[in-house]
Order: sequence, then structure tokens, then C-alpha cells
Amino acid sequence: QQPVQSPQAVILREGEDAVINCSSSKALYSVHWYRQKHGEAPVFLMILLKGGEQKGHDKISASFNEKKQQSSLYLTASQLSYSGTYFCGTGTGNQFYFGTGTSLTVIP
Amino acid sequence: NAGVTQTPKFRVLKTGQSMTLLCAQDMNHEYMYWYRQDPGMGLRLIHYSVGEGTTAKGEVPDGYNVSRLKKQNFLLGLESAAPSQTSVYFCASIAGFSYNEQFFGPGTRLTVL
Repeated sequence: QQPVQSPQAVILREGEDAVINCSSSKALYSVHWYRQKHGEAPVFLMILLKGGEQKGHDKISASFNEKKQQSSLYLTASQLSYSGTYFCGTGTGNQFYFGTGTSLTVIP
Repeated sequence: NAGVTQTPKFRVLKTGQSMTLLCAQDMNHEYMYWYRQDPGMGLRLIHYSVGEGTTAKGEVPDGYNVSRLKKQNFLLGLESAAPSQTSVYFCASIAGFSYNEQFFGPGTRLTVL
């Protein structure tokens, strides 16, 4: 049930762009994205609902294709503060499944 | 407004000991979840509650019990701790239903020797 994310890890220089992918073997009705910094709790970024809409949060945006059961998170002009582990997640009924995580490191 | 709090922050147990982790939220949220996070595994749902007096099993419930006697509190119990339960435990609460934003507590780091 756990969504699969790719890549597992990525290193960027400040100002570069990155894409994190999330795919599920089960039907997706919504996709959440969270960021977790080392030693801290996950922090909500955005939710995408059925309809293929793209949402944005500052220079971080995401898309959701429910037919392909996939979501992608786009980070543009990355900043040092973007470093952390990114998780996608999806709900089935009242249960919730987080993805395997993508470690993102932004270096000067 | 404290949001979601967890106690304790750290704990070391010996195999076979028991303990209870407390999660408290002051946002009047109906849904509360307990997760464990292990390296390379992401967060996995242990148990959850959709309202006061209700609990249900998540993905990895074995070895844990929970109670939700008051709406604002969600307790996670380990009756006989095992080394495999060494992990970081996070509690989260959600307004409305499971498709909404989750608010996480700061986590409890548990080590079982």
C-alpha cells in the first residue's frame, strides 16, 4: 500500500530545480506532500485532490494524475531551506500511507 | 495554542517493560493517528482514532494498544517492549477527515534495550 518515491536521494546546488515522483499501485483519491527536516516532525506542504489540478506553495508546486496513480513535486530555484526529506502520502478510507521518502540536500 | 504535544520526548526501556506515550491536541480535532518512523521506512500507521471512544488498527498494530477516552488525548501503550519497537513515534491530529492536513507532534524517541 505504501507509495513509492523516486529518486531516493538528490543533491542540488542553490538555484537548481528538482522533481520528486510518487506512484501508487492502488487508486489515488488525494495526495499529500510533507517535508521533514532532520530531528523534526513532518510539516504539511500541500494536498492535491482528484482532477489533475496543480497546486503551488511559494516555488514548490505539484501535480496529480489519478489515472496514472502518480504525483510529482516540483521544486524550482531551490534554496538552502528546501533541504530535508520529502514524503508523499495518500489516504484509503481512514488509513493513511506515507511514501518511502526522498532526501533532498541543497548545497551553496 | 500548543497544537499537538507528546510526552515523553525520549525514553529508554528494557525488554519486557511497559510504557505509555501520551499525545494531546488542543485544536478540537476528531481524528488522531499514531505513527512509527524507522530509517528508510518512512512513517507507518500503528493505530488511529476517528473520535472519542473509538480506535482502529493501522498498518503495523502488533505489540501496541491505544485508548482515546478524551477527545484531546490519544494514548499509545507498549505492554511488553521489544527491541524491534525501537523507533521514533509521531502523533498527528486532523480536522475533519483523513483527506485533510495532518498536524504532527514533535515525536518521542524510544530505545528498547
